[in-house]
Amino acid sequence: DVKVTQSSRYLVKRTGEKVFLECVQDMDHENMFWYRQDPGLGLRLIYFSYDVKMKEKGDIPEGYSVSREKKERFSLILESASTNQTSMYLCASSLGGRPLYEQYFGPGTRLTVT
Amino acid sequence: GDSVTQMEGPVTLSEEAFLTINCTYTATGYPSLFWYVQYPGEGLQLLLKATKADDKGSNKGFEATYRKETTSFHLEKGSVQVSDSAVYFCALPTGFQKLVFGTGTRLLVSP
Repeated sequence: DVKVTQSSRYLVKRTGEKVFLECVQDMDHENMFWYRQDPGLGLRLIYFSYDVKMKEKGDIPEGYSVSREKKERFSLILESASTNQTSMYLCASSLGGRPLYEQYFGPGTRLTVT
Repeated sequence: GDSVTQMEGPVTLSEEAFLTINCTYTATGYPSLFWYVQYPGEGLQLLLKATKADDKGSNKGFEATYRKETTSFHLEKGSVQVSDSAVYFCALPTGFQKLVFGTGTRLLVSP
């Protein structure tokens, strides 16, 4: 089974802190994604990566950055956390080149910024 | 751009009732279509998919038919169970290896 793990299920940070969210997948997937999930807005893509050291902006990249130094790991960074970044963050991965676009998701990290 | 519209929830049903969750899409051409499900406290997982027009995807008693005439992919189940309580997302591919999701529909099933 594909497994996507996220470093924390719950996280509480203060405004202005630098926050790291880690995601690891064990199926050698080329593509990895970070979404945020908010009530009434569904999932919105923050960043994605289709290869090591490659990254592309999604729909809402402002206030975030990412890092992908190894194929299995994709990190989301909040440079200076703000209260409007309180949300559920979901990581996903998928095989490159497949036309079916099936993505495998981690359990999510619920981040609260106070 | 490509988009997906889902009915707003929550949908509240009694056990063994019939379920329909509506999904319509706007896209260029005839993309694959997906339903994902998110159970409480978990990430999303693929429930079913259809790769071309008139295809029917099915899994765990759920079905959805890809109808290009009405640009719809409605999710149905004949008899829901309490364990089906979850949030359901319709999705379609857009761009390079990306998915666009609907806003999600919460289903609550009571005994």
